[in-house]
Amino acid sequence: EDQVTQSPEALRLQEGESSSLNCSYTVSGLRGLFWYRQDPGKGPEFLFTLYSAGEEKEKERLKATLTKKESFLHITAPKPEDSATYLCADPSGTDKLIFGTGTRLQVFP
Amino acid sequence: ETGVTQTPRHLVMGMTNKKSLKCEQHLGHNAMYWYKQSAKKPLELMFVYNFKEQTENNSVPSRFSPECPNSSHLFLHLHTLQPEDSALYLCASSQDPGGAYNEQFFGPGTRLTVL
Repeated sequence: EDQVTQSPEALRLQEGESSSLNCSYTVSGLRGLFWYRQDPGKGPEFLFTLYSAGEEKEKERLKATLTKKESFLHITAPKPEDSATYLCADPSGTDKLIFGTGTRLQVFP
Repeated sequence: ETGVTQTPRHLVMGMTNKKSLKCEQHLGHNAMYWYKQSAKKPLELMFVYNFKEQTENNSVPSRFSPECPNSSHLFLHLHTLQPEDSALYLCASSQDPGGAYNEQFFGPGTRLTVL
């Protein structure tokens, strides 16, 4: 069964302290990967789609990368407004998205 | 209105009540989804509709009954729920169902509490 695992579960950073979030998946064939951001009490907000290994995408302080087995979301010089839960999801080739449990990021001033 | 909207945003109901959640998408998409999000668990897909036809029922108990009258509207009818059904219920839509080229866009969710 396809599975998506995210680490760490929670991450506390000082403002300006760069770091990376990991999303690993066990799938029978890479079909791309989605990243979402979710604020408390709100629905997930779409960030990126990565379609193939080696691909990279950037948005402001976020950069997502993809290999055949995992994806990283790099956060450069984060600000408090970057605090949220970051979710990755595998489009399993059917109608389903398989989500990880997320990384809860807190950035302190 | 833009994007995906959901009403109500919060709902408290007793185990014997009947209520409905409403979702509307303003994106011109063909596929709509219901998800359940509980604390410490991944989002769980409940139902998928493509052009008003249900294409996925992820072993959801019959106390949850979806309805999709057209490609823009989706309902989730609730009856005789259990306290463990308390969760955030999210609606999403995508241009077409499935695959890496059909990003799903989510509504703000309905926070449901079953007493």
